[in-house]
Amino acid sequence: GAGVSQSPSNKVTEKGKDVELRCDPISGHTALYWYRQSLGQGLEFLIYFQGNSAPDKSGLPSDRFSAERTGGSVSTLTIQRTQQEDSAVYLCASSRVSRGEQFFGPGTRLTVL
Amino acid sequence: AQTVTQSQPEMSVQEAETVTLSCTYDTSESDYYLFWYKQPPSRQMILVIRQEAYKQQNATENRFSVNFQKAAKSFSLKISDSQLGDAAMYFCAYRSAMNFGNEKLTFGTGTRLTIIP
Repeated sequence: GAGVSQSPSNKVTEKGKDVELRCDPISGHTALYWYRQSLGQGLEFLIYFQGNSAPDKSGLPSDRFSAERTGGSVSTLTIQRTQQEDSAVYLCASSRVSRGEQFFGPGTRLTVL
Repeated sequence: AQTVTQSQPEMSVQEAETVTLSCTYDTSESDYYLFWYKQPPSRQMILVIRQEAYKQQNATENRFSVNFQKAAKSFSLKISDSQLGDAAMYFCAYRSAMNFGNEKLTFGTGTRLTIIP
């Protein structure tokens, strides 16, 4: 079946603008994760969803970052008032159950000018 | 908090030879999982191999095997008969098995593996 998909593949925005990044998990996967990969910070966990609830949002770096998941499926990561330090690749992963193998999407490369 | 350290930013190996990538981690937990992920230029992370901490036997997946030393908190990846398609960034990762809701992966900084034809 189809893997995890993310859109857009690349996003260029101006400082101060809001952006939305989308993740479509593998069908039937109940758990969904967002990570950020940047040159300075490496790979960092952002938030974890089980169904539509987020038991762990400890990795969100500031209140400019938020995420939601609807219908136990699609998730959107929103970054408000983007800053240059938000430039990174944002990776989404899903797993069939919590503690299952995490399957990753191809990521969205965000560039903030 | 757990930390994962990969001390080799880059490694290279001749095609068909064997290479070992190093990983150490720090944790106070007794139950956890360790993983090696591969990230080719396409950016998509692919699970290579996983190890449960409670298992003494080292995991093996075809040409990939690990040397898990729990007391030393070491988890190295051995790639045998290296192939051109093995060229990628390799990340070591840790996940707790202790607490419900603690699902996140903690990654090392990665090792870029180059295969020399």
